[in-house]
Amino acid sequence: GEDVEQSLFLSVREGDSSVINCTYTDSSSTYLYWYKQEPGAGLQLLTYIFSNMDMKQDQRLTVLLNKKDKHLSLRIADTQTGDSAIYFCAERVGRNTGGFKTIFGAGTRLFVKA
Amino acid sequence: IAGITQAPTSQILAAGRRMTLRCTQDMRHNAMYWYRQDLGLGLRLIHYSNTAGTTGKGEVPDGYSVSRANTDDFPLTLASAVPSQTSVYFCASSDSFQRTGNYGYTFGSGTRLTVV
Repeated sequence: GEDVEQSLFLSVREGDSSVINCTYTDSSSTYLYWYKQEPGAGLQLLTYIFSNMDMKQDQRLTVLLNKKDKHLSLRIADTQTGDSAIYFCAERVGRNTGGFKTIFGAGTRLFVKA
Repeated sequence: IAGITQAPTSQILAAGRRMTLRCTQDMRHNAMYWYRQDLGLGLRLIHYSNTAGTTGKGEVPDGYSVSRANTDDFPLTLASAVPSQTSVYFCASSDSFQRTGNYGYTFGSGTRLTVV
């Protein structure tokens, strides 16, 4: 089956690192994504990783992919109050009828305490 | 600014009424999607369109219809609204012809719909 699971809440102190975890079930996924949703707004693509990569770093963001365990994580260094948002994990997989689709997790709400 | 425009931003609708949520993109993306977002349930796909002239059903299509007459527009219609359709609706698009290389989605700002 296809499923993307992530914990619902994470609370960190400002300046600490945040690590948001995600597990997925479809081993044929090609791309994995992290989206950020701020209050009252739509989702915004934050970063992505291709399935043949183990790690991707982009400024304060580090994405780690463990294909064996089907585990994806997003690390935010020096977390700021502006990072408070909902973070969605997603994977791109093939459709039974051809083509591709993206499966989203339920989202992790990150609270950053000043 | 390139992106997706959704209208209206919010609406209160009487049960039984018909409503069309509008979605327009200016990025020439081939694929478009409609999701609803409900607390605790995450995003659920309602309908999608891989190219102009084609549409497909997502996870929760009942009570909704879509059309894709051209590349830019993808309206979502509720034929006879019910309270369970109270939700935040997001339109999204993606370029699946590998021009961007990551197939990521661009989302609109959403329509908050309340059916009473």
